[in-house]
Amino acid sequence: NAGVTQTPKFRILKIGQSMTLQCAQDMNHNYMYWYRQDPGMGLKLIYYSVGAGITDKGEVPNGYNVSRSTTEDFPLRLELAAPSQTSVYFCASIGVGSGRQNEQFFGPGTRLTVL
Amino acid sequence: AQSVTQPDIHITVSEGASLELRCNYSYGATPYLFWYVQSPGQGLQLLLKYFSGDTLVQGIKGFEAEFKRSQSSFNLRKPSVHWSDAAEYFCAVGAFLGQFYFGTGTSLTVIP
Repeated sequence: NAGVTQTPKFRILKIGQSMTLQCAQDMNHNYMYWYRQDPGMGLKLIYYSVGAGITDKGEVPNGYNVSRSTTEDFPLRLELAAPSQTSVYFCASIGVGSGRQNEQFFGPGTRLTVL
Repeated sequence: AQSVTQPDIHITVSEGASLELRCNYSYGATPYLFWYVQSPGQGLQLLLKYFSGDTLVQGIKGFEAEFKRSQSSFNLRKPSVHWSDAAEYFCAVGAFLGQFYFGTGTSLTVIP
């Protein structure tokens, strides 16, 4: 299994541009999460999903959108990039009833800079 | 409101010395508690978790943590630190499969 994969690894955007951060998992996990990590800070939850077609806001959802059309994929959309969105973005998933219940598996992260 | 506090931003210990990283939480219900480790440029790896039962939990890499409900704490310990333990450590609290709240992290430096 590849686990949780994220693309791209790095990206520089100009203010006002849009982009989609991709996240995929091949572990058949129902629960998926998007976090941002700012320097010297912990992870802040942006959005999460408990299954295909179901998403909900986390602590810091403003400026972002998500969709979950399949179990495997959970893309994060930035519509109008702002410098405040410069951060490292992590995707995570949780498997239920797998013997490692409630352990979040994290992707390697996407480092985004908005100039 | 739910929150996690890690009072120590940075800790330096000598290799072979013992380690304790502090974590205090605020949560309205029975907490699910986690400790994660993050190496530079990497994602987070689970060290250990507490859901219920024995308040002393064992994790990977020789780490353990003790849940103290009366103090709302979940401190991470290791009896003898290795140079490879240098990393960022995060405490987190979560509802069952719901939202998770992370502390701001403690950066550990290990001196040879």
